Formats: sequence, C-alpha cells, structure tokens
Amino acid sequence: GENVEQHPSTLSVQEGDSAVIKCTYSDSASNYFPWYKQELGKGPQLIIDIRSNVGEKKDQRIAVTLNKTAKHFSLHITETQPEDSAVYFCAASKGGSYIPTFGRGTSLIVHP
Amino acid sequence: NAGVTQTPKFQVLKTGQSMTLQCAQDMNHEYMSWYRQDPGMGLRLIHYSVGAGITDQGEVPNGYNVSRSTTEDFPLRLLSAAPSQTSVYFCASSEGTRTEAFFGQGTRLTVV
Repeated sequence: GENVEQHPSTLSVQEGDSAVIKCTYSDSASNYFPWYKQELGKGPQLIIDIRSNVGEKKDQRIAVTLNKTAKHFSLHITETQPEDSAVYFCAASKGGSYIPTFGRGTSLIVHP
Repeated sequence: NAGVTQTPKFQVLKTGQSMTLQCAQDMNHEYMSWYRQDPGMGLRLIHYSVGAGITDQGEVPNGYNVSRSTTEDFPLRLLSAAPSQTSVYFCASSEGTRTEAFFGQGTRLTVV
C-alpha cells in the first residue's frame, strides 16, 4: 500500500519567517495530496490540496508544490504568525476506494 | 450544519470493558473512517466504510469492530479494552477519496 513520509517532525521558526514541510509518497498512482492543520484539542481541517495535474497551488500565505517524478510534495507557509502554530499533516490518495494515507505530522511552533 | 459529531469527548475504561464510540455526519457523505492518533505516530486508519453496509479494515483494525447500517452513522466498538488502546480517536467523512475529509472533534480514551 501507500507509504507517506513527512519531515521534519518538529519545526520551530520566528514570527515572519517562512516554514517548509516536506512529504514523499511511494505509490506513483496517487493523484490527490491534501494538507491538514490540527489545532490543539481539535480535529484536523483541510487547508489546501493539490491534484496531480497541477504543479503548484497558492492560497494567500500558503502554497503547495508537487513533483510527480520525484514523488514528493511540500507545504510552504510565508510570513508565519503565532496562530500558524499547530500540527500539520500531509496525505496522499489515488481515488477509488483507497482512503488517503497520512504522514506522521509536523508540529510547527511560531515564536512571537 | 453540525458536520461530524463524535461522542463521548472523554472516556475512561477499565481493562476488559467494552464500549462504543459514536460518530454521526449530516452531509450525506458515502465515505467514513476511524483513525487513532498517538504521539509521533500520526493518524492511523482503523476501519473505513465506502457506503452503507460496506466496511473494510485499515492499518490497525485489531480489537475494534465497526458497522454501517445507515449513511449517517459509523460506530466504533472496542470489544475488550486494553491499555494499548489508550489514544485519541477521530472519525472522518468525505464525499470521495479525493475530496476534503471532515473530521470530528475527537474522543480521548484512557484504558486503565
């Protein structure tokens, strides 16, 4: 089955810096790559997703890039703010009845 | 619109006891899943369903049972609780496997 690896497990940045979280996947048939943000005590929420026919997608301070050849995708957060502090999960899915496989998560800490 | 509702939010069980974690969604989603979240392990899939009457095992199904008699409800049963099942449990639903998954607020379970 699919295997998703996520790095780093913890990321500490100063407010205003950029943060980058990287994921790799193993199944070349995967074609949907969502990112979720989990705030303390809550369930994960989708923040951005990308499909395999697109190389990059942006939404304000958040962007995701996808390299299908290398089978990796990344989340970029610019001008980080303390409210960006959370656990971020990447996932990969190939559709059909295949439930997305999640990475192990990255704890992002933004220091004021 | 309530989304995905999980009950209870907190539960303490004694080893050997059984219980059912409830999950209900009001979005008419076909796909529903149960995950457990443990420190450093990310979200691991326990069981999932692709529609009423259809369930399948995920990565860590042992010790858990599910059924899906209606589109709205997807309960998770612990047959004989063990300390290794101490975790935070999340239920999720989605229209498909390449669309946004909506998560409940989680159930924090402690088995003593």
